[in-house]
Amino acid sequence: KAGVTQTPRYLIKTRGQQVTLSCSPISGHRSVSWYQQTPGQGLQFLFEYFSETQRNKGNFPGRFSGRQFSNSRSEMNVSTLELGDSALYLCASSLGQTANTGELFFGEGSRLTVL
Amino acid sequence: GENVEQHPSTLSVQEGDSAVIKCTYSDSASNYFPWYKQELGKRPQLIIDIRSNVGEKKDQRIAVTLNKTAKHFSLHITETQPEDSAVYFCAAQGAGGSYIPTFGRGTSLIVHP
Repeated sequence: KAGVTQTPRYLIKTRGQQVTLSCSPISGHRSVSWYQQTPGQGLQFLFEYFSETQRNKGNFPGRFSGRQFSNSRSEMNVSTLELGDSALYLCASSLGQTANTGELFFGEGSRLTVL
Repeated sequence: GENVEQHPSTLSVQEGDSAVIKCTYSDSASNYFPWYKQELGKRPQLIIDIRSNVGEKKDQRIAVTLNKTAKHFSLHITETQPEDSAVYFCAAQGAGGSYIPTFGRGTSLIVHP
């Protein structure tokens, strides 16, 4: 069974640009969640999608957005990039069908550097 | 919303010693508590989890304990080995019907050979 795949793995952008990251979940998983990871800040939750609907949202500005397609693949977009957006962006998939359980399976992440 | 505090942020031990990482959560409705391990340059992976109807769970050298009254849970690693060196994240889930966990900030465990 293929794991969670994220593309691209590494990218460099300049301030003001926008970026789109992609995540392909494990087959059969309908929930995809996104996290920003920076040193000392742990895993900051961005948003979660289930069956093409945003089900949960973290405390990030509107420059961060996402969507999920009918095949459960998800994309996240960051517009008007700032230096502080430099981070590892992780996505995770799960079955997402019960609230009190559900192992998250993470991708290897997309490392974004903003210059 | 749920808030998870994790301590310490860094833990350094000698090989063979035990390591304990502690977390507290704020919402008494949380009922699922997973722990993830992230080795350097790798993705986080679930290593153990516990549900609110259980007080303790063990898996070989690792164990997790949960005190619902005090709203805290801990990860215990015995006979630590260099390969245990990683960042460990605790999380709480289930409050308000949430389908995704709220993570602590992580503990960097360093095991010296």
